Amino acid sequence: QQQVKQSPQSLIVQKGGISIINCAYENTAFDYFPWYQQFPGKGPALLIAIRPDVSEKKEGRFTISFNKSAKQFSLHIMDSQPGDSATYFCAASKGGSEKLVFGKGTKLTVNP
Amino acid sequence: DAMVIQNPRYQVTQFGKPVTLSCSQTLNHNVMYWYQQKSSQAPKLLFHYYDKDFNNEADTPDNFQSRRPNTSFCFLDIRSPGLGDAAMYLCATAGGPSADTQYFGPGTRLTVL
Repeated sequence: QQQVKQSPQSLIVQKGGISIINCAYENTAFDYFPWYQQFPGKGPALLIAIRPDVSEKKEGRFTISFNKSAKQFSLHIMDSQPGDSATYFCAASKGGSEKLVFGKGTKLTVNP
Repeated sequence: DAMVIQNPRYQVTQFGKPVTLSCSQTLNHNVMYWYQQKSSQAPKLLFHYYDKDFNNEADTPDNFQSRRPNTSFCFLDIRSPGLGDAAMYLCATAGGPSADTQYFGPGTRLTVL
């Protein structure tokens, strides 16, 4: 019940295309859903995050879509660029807990 | 203006030789975390501090210890590194108005020979 399932494991997109990464969770107590971006040899960096009171959050080319009834959330990267090539992790946590539950990650490659 | 600093960035040690990794933060966050990340895997939480309260994950080997002498610093001690301990070690912090958000350092890449 603590798992966050992330798909796909890897994704190849052409420059200018849309990258979509999906995550699903079971624990309805989760109330915070961040996405982290990690470049090789670097620490993860917070990209964007959402709470269940909204169904969508957009920051620049990055959008989180959240479906509370389906217990799913996804990251959309519009106009994908080669510089977006990285590993993306979704995560979830519940109020009062200091811990994040991570998905297994998606390696995104954006071809020029 | 680095917020979570890890030293060293690369550490090479020998099998069984104790090693200490350090983390410092300028965010004044009350929670600090240590994660282990192996290639192509998600970060795995080893333990965390909420202020001075230490919280160990059930599956963290006894070989891993931690110290937090003050708010700003936290150390990861590996008492007898094995080949399987070679990994990236990530420090993270959380606190303040966005207490749910964890801020990661750049990591220390540990190699065990």
